[in-house]
Amino acid sequence: QKEVEQDPGPLSVPEGAIVSLNCTYSNSAFQYFMWYRQYSRKGPELLMYTYSSGNKEDGRFTAQVDKSSKYISLFIRDSQPSDSATYLCAMSDLRTNAGKSTFGDGTTLTVKP
Amino acid sequence: GAVVSQHPSRVICKSGTSVKIECRSLDFQATTMFWYRQFPKKSLMLMATSNEGSKATYEQGVEKDKFLINHASLTLSTLTVTSAHPEDSSFYICSAASDRYYEQYFGPGTRLTVT
Repeated sequence: QKEVEQDPGPLSVPEGAIVSLNCTYSNSAFQYFMWYRQYSRKGPELLMYTYSSGNKEDGRFTAQVDKSSKYISLFIRDSQPSDSATYLCAMSDLRTNAGKSTFGDGTTLTVKP
Repeated sequence: GAVVSQHPSRVICKSGTSVKIECRSLDFQATTMFWYRQFPKKSLMLMATSNEGSKATYEQGVEKDKFLINHASLTLSTLTVTSAHPEDSSFYICSAASDRYYEQYFGPGTRLTVT
């Protein structure tokens, strides 16, 4: 079993929809949680990061972490065609090398006009 | 966010030659850099972790003599693919992290094609 599980999709939604992307994990030592967006043929771009449990909002994006359930989510409100990309969750244990993270396999999202 | 550059963005080389890819952190000192490989529609595959001034740590199954990594300064790491073969054709991405951050910042990637 992988340490981080992420549904690969693909996920297709109409423009304006609310998108929910999720990851589950098994390592209770993970404390730092990140979401990356990757457009085709580009490097991943850091969208949001959170420490421990709770919510964090940035514009149309909201990241949620539920450590008791080992479950994290990224919500995208008012989705736009430009949000079409692959979304990767990532997590790290603060006790390991700075920055070394465990990644999910990514969820491919298409937002249709 | 922090900026990481990668050069070249695309390279085509003949089988048997070596190719060097540079990864630079432009606005922060990267104590750790990572090198990934990514196949089409697949996830990132970590190849190695390098810390400034030390030897790289390679993931299981990655040939360290084939994929030479040098992290000579806090802003530059290089990946050299030696004696490249067509099966080395892939998208190579670097990322950088520092003691100030726990997140990684990725470069734009290098597409290598070996003919």
